[in-house]
Amino acid sequence: SAVISQKPSRDICQRGTSLTIQCQVDSQVTMMFWYRQQPGQSLTLIATANQGSEATYESGFVIDKFPISRPNLTFSTLTVSNMSPEDSSIYLCSVQGLAGFYEQYFGPGTRLTVT
Amino acid sequence: QKEVEQNSGPLSVPEGAIASLNCTYSDRVSQSFFWYRQYSGKSPELIMSIYSNGDKEDGRFTAQLNKASQYVSLLIRDSQPSDSATYLCAVTGSGYSTLTFGKGTMLLVSP
Repeated sequence: SAVISQKPSRDICQRGTSLTIQCQVDSQVTMMFWYRQQPGQSLTLIATANQGSEATYESGFVIDKFPISRPNLTFSTLTVSNMSPEDSSIYLCSVQGLAGFYEQYFGPGTRLTVT
Repeated sequence: QKEVEQNSGPLSVPEGAIASLNCTYSDRVSQSFFWYRQYSGKSPELIMSIYSNGDKEDGRFTAQLNKASQYVSLLIRDSQPSDSATYLCAVTGSGYSTLTFGKGTMLLVSP
């Protein structure tokens, strides 16, 4: 199976600032996704990171707040912009297109606290 | 609005028993179904996938799918304390990519 890494693993940020989270996988994958998991809650899909084109955002998430890049088949970034305490959450990337084509595997997550 | 429903639990079973976790989904055209295990403070780990009606077994885990009833379940045989975790059911739509997650069922296995 592939190794998926995320940087940073955790951060504490001040409101009004931005944080960029990186997701790296050691194999080429078809699809990459970004999720949010708020405390005590399940996972909510933010967007699909499309290689070479704009990300596809789910309802309630917008590009100005969560800009996403995917320059190649192994790397993606998610930026959380103009942060507020409500953005405190765990942010997870996932990948699809490894051995089991439809199966998604998750990175270790980034725990973000906004003060 | 696609929905995936799970009992939040906790579901408590003694060590060695069978744990049965259930999930229903609202989108009739859903194609792919997954069970993830999530330990506290960790990211979700895929444990089972199932795509067609019937049972699929992998070690102590059996996934069951009934598309007519829009129901998917996970059985864990010979439950161990290390199985104590939150189990997330996830479903795709008519495509095979974007996942909708249930809120998860917490399983507690007592020694």
